[in-house]
Amino acid sequence: NAGVTQTPKFQVLKTGQSMTLQCAQDMNHEYMSWYRQDPGMGLRLIHYSVGAGITDQGEVPNGYNVSRSTTEDFPLRLLSAAPSQTSVYFCASSPQSGANVLTFGAGSRLTVL
Amino acid sequence: GENVEQHPSTLSVQEGDSAVIKCTYSDSASNYFPWYKQELGKRPQLIIDIRSNVGEKKDQRIAVTLNKTAKHFSLHITETQPEDSAVYFCAASRQGSYIPTFGRGTSLIVHP
Repeated sequence: NAGVTQTPKFQVLKTGQSMTLQCAQDMNHEYMSWYRQDPGMGLRLIHYSVGAGITDQGEVPNGYNVSRSTTEDFPLRLLSAAPSQTSVYFCASSPQSGANVLTFGAGSRLTVL
Repeated sequence: GENVEQHPSTLSVQEGDSAVIKCTYSDSASNYFPWYKQELGKRPQLIIDIRSNVGEKKDQRIAVTLNKTAKHFSLHITETQPEDSAVYFCAASRQGSYIPTFGRGTSLIVHP
């Protein structure tokens, strides 16, 4: 079991460029989510998904798109990167049944110049 | 929606002292309260959680208490060690909701 795998670990972009942060989990978890972490701001929810084909917005969705074509994968797309999107991004998953325990990926540090 | 306040934002203690981090929540329907620890450069990981049907839960040197009436819960770490240095996040969620609302985190520094 690899758990939750995020790629890339580090990325530098120029303003206006696009990119996709990849997230995959092998635990057959129904729920997946993306957070961004900024100093003093905690973990803020960007988008989440309750299952394949279903996504919804979190607290800070602007500038980001997601899709969930399979149970395993939940990529996060930045269509036109802005310096305000410089952050550390975490993908997380949790099962539908039992405790609402989140399993996080290792994180992706994104810098937008 | 739910709002979780966490205090203090920074906590500095000497090795061997106790540390207490407090959180308050706004949604009286919240019934699951996890705590996550994030070491420097690492991912957050669950260290302890409590459900609303109990008032206290312990796991070795860490304990969590819950006061449903006052809508606050706390993390207690006894006999702190340098490896306890990390950022701690509290969170709250409702039964059936897998999306917790997080506090802003507490940076705990344990001085040897």
